Amino acid sequence: DTEVTQTPKHLVMGMTNKKSLKCEQHMGHRAMYWYKQKAKKPPELMFVYSYEKLSINESVPSRFSPECPNSSLLNLHLHALQPEDSALYLCASRDRGGDEKLFFGSGTQLSVL
Amino acid sequence: AQKITQTQPGMFVQEKEAVTLDCTYDTSDPSYGLFWYKQPSSGEMIFLIYQGSYDQQNATEGRYSLNFQKARKSANLVISASQLGDSAMYFCAMRNPVQGGGNKLTFGTGTQLKVEL
Repeated sequence: DTEVTQTPKHLVMGMTNKKSLKCEQHMGHRAMYWYKQKAKKPPELMFVYSYEKLSINESVPSRFSPECPNSSLLNLHLHALQPEDSALYLCASRDRGGDEKLFFGSGTQLSVL
Repeated sequence: AQKITQTQPGMFVQEKEAVTLDCTYDTSDPSYGLFWYKQPSSGEMIFLIYQGSYDQQNATEGRYSLNFQKARKSANLVISASQLGDSAMYFCAMRNPVQGGGNKLTFGTGTQLKVEL
């Protein structure tokens, strides 16, 4: 299994809603990432988890709250988002001890109304 | 600070022809890695090829090859025998170590490639 699975694929939420994005991988990778990508722009790193511990937070606003409950799962909890937070949210994983490449999921397209 | 530059916002190529997508980088780290990813309109980032800073030979993966010129700090992607399915956004990216352990992948602005009949 060489997949990173993200759910949901699409999400529409209001500014007062609370929602969560989910990412799952079963490749035994111990580093997992959240990226944010606006249309026609490169992905921007948000968070990195290494061995289920948060190792990088790229000064992301607190309305985004990551969680890594176990080595296979990565969540991104969303609360009180703004319309400018509408973007494609990409999850990725990497085996710290092996191959250098990041495996990406197909993303969650988020629209904040 | 690390920086990745892709100067071609858009490129056109005829089917079956070869095309080169440019990428230059800047880093003070002696150890780094360079990647190319393809992103079709579906959104998924697809890994194409990797080059480590200490690798002596240019990386190749099927129709993809990376023209690594370390002194010039360039890592251009060459796609041979272009196919219609190669039409996508292509991102060059650089991996650098970060303080406290781990790595960070920084992306260039991308090149939109369109393959024509």
